[in-house]
Amino acid sequence: KAGVTQTPRYLIKTRGQQVTLSCSPISGHRSVSWYQQTPGQGLQFLFEYFSETQRNKGNFPGRFSGRQFSNSRSEMNVSTLELGDSALYLCASSLATGTNTGELFFGEGSRLTVL
Amino acid sequence: AQSVAQPEDQVNVAEGNPLTVKCTYSVSGNPYLFWYVQYPNRGLQFLLKYITGDNLVKGSYGFEAEFNKSQTSFHLKKPSALVSDSALYFCAVRDSGTYKYIFGTGTRLKVLA
Repeated sequence: KAGVTQTPRYLIKTRGQQVTLSCSPISGHRSVSWYQQTPGQGLQFLFEYFSETQRNKGNFPGRFSGRQFSNSRSEMNVSTLELGDSALYLCASSLATGTNTGELFFGEGSRLTVL
Repeated sequence: AQSVAQPEDQVNVAEGNPLTVKCTYSVSGNPYLFWYVQYPNRGLQFLLKYITGDNLVKGSYGFEAEFNKSQTSFHLKKPSALVSDSALYFCAVRDSGTYKYIFGTGTRLKVLA
């Protein structure tokens, strides 16, 4: 069974640009969550999508957005990049339905560097 | 509000010695608790979870965790540490109502040969 796949793994952008990151969840998982990881702030929750709807949202500015497609693949977009957006962006999928108490399965992450 | 605390930024232990990585939580209702490990430049990997039942939960790579309801703790343990256990460990709690996961700040474990 294929794991969570994130693309691209590494990317470099300059301030003011925008970026789109992609995440393909494990087959059958309908929930996809995104996290930002930085040395100073740790693991910060961005948002979660379930069946194409945003179910949970963290405390990030509107420059951070996401969406989920009918096949459960998800993308996140960051517009008007700032230096502080440099981070490892992690995607995680899970079953997360009803009484399911399943764990999160993480991808390897997309490391974004903003110059 | 649900929260998780990992009071130690780093834990050092000698190879072969027992290790403990601490985690305390605050939730309303029954806690769903998890431990994850992260190796350098990798995503997080699931180690174990507590949902209900026995307070001692066994997981991957010889790790176990003890759920203590009165102390609201879920400490990660291993009887004999390996150098290869050196990594970043995260405790997490899942909100039973919103399905939202809340992660601790992480504890870096260093096992010294």
